[in-house]
Amino acid sequence: DAGITQSPRHKVTETGTPVTLRCHQTENHRYMYWYRQDPGHGLRLIHYSYGVKDTDKGEVSDGYSVSRSKTEDFLLTLESATSSQTSVYFCAIRAREGAQYFGPGTRLLVL
Amino acid sequence: DQQVKQNSPSLSVQEGRISILNCDYTNSMFDYFLWYKKYPAEGPTFLISISSIKDKNEDGRFTVFLNKSAKHLSLHIVPSQPGDSAVYFCAASAGNYGGSQGNLIFGKGTKLSVKP
Repeated sequence: DAGITQSPRHKVTETGTPVTLRCHQTENHRYMYWYRQDPGHGLRLIHYSYGVKDTDKGEVSDGYSVSRSKTEDFLLTLESATSSQTSVYFCAIRAREGAQYFGPGTRLLVL
Repeated sequence: DQQVKQNSPSLSVQEGRISILNCDYTNSMFDYFLWYKKYPAEGPTFLISISSIKDKNEDGRFTVFLNKSAKHLSLHIVPSQPGDSAVYFCAASAGNYGGSQGNLIFGKGTKLSVKP
């Protein structure tokens, strides 16, 4: 258990609505990540952070933004949700040896 | 272009037998490889990893083999148990080469079913 929580765990929203997902960690890890998982695609990196206020884009960053104002919190925002953003979102941290440890996920449905 | 490929979407094995999950990669700069297990409605769980300086790493029932010349790795589970039924993801990292920051590239997963 890497002390990672995600909130909310489930969310239903409408197209065009802004949505923010929160990832919280308790072990002071420097690196944090947001992934989405979709059938037939595995896990794809959206954005990652390598420190407070230090973030960068991943493979599928269009339509998403992130913020990290504190070490423990990494926020993922969908400025205007679309149906293509219906997915399961996972947050992860990177441990010292290089392995990443994942949170329980947020299931998002955009109607 | 997929850099990490798991060509078998599913695998069915009898309880007690060996499960072998395969993964191929194309990027020769990858130097760290990992396997994750995922149950439905849960986050992926780290299982085992291997550095490119090794060709084998073992942890209990799980062994990962790396063949760098073939750009191939495999996960062996012996003996397989019904609780091993899950989706298994292979992942690879290139350290900080090319600004990749050690980010992981995942395969699409293989669903393992272990039948009693």
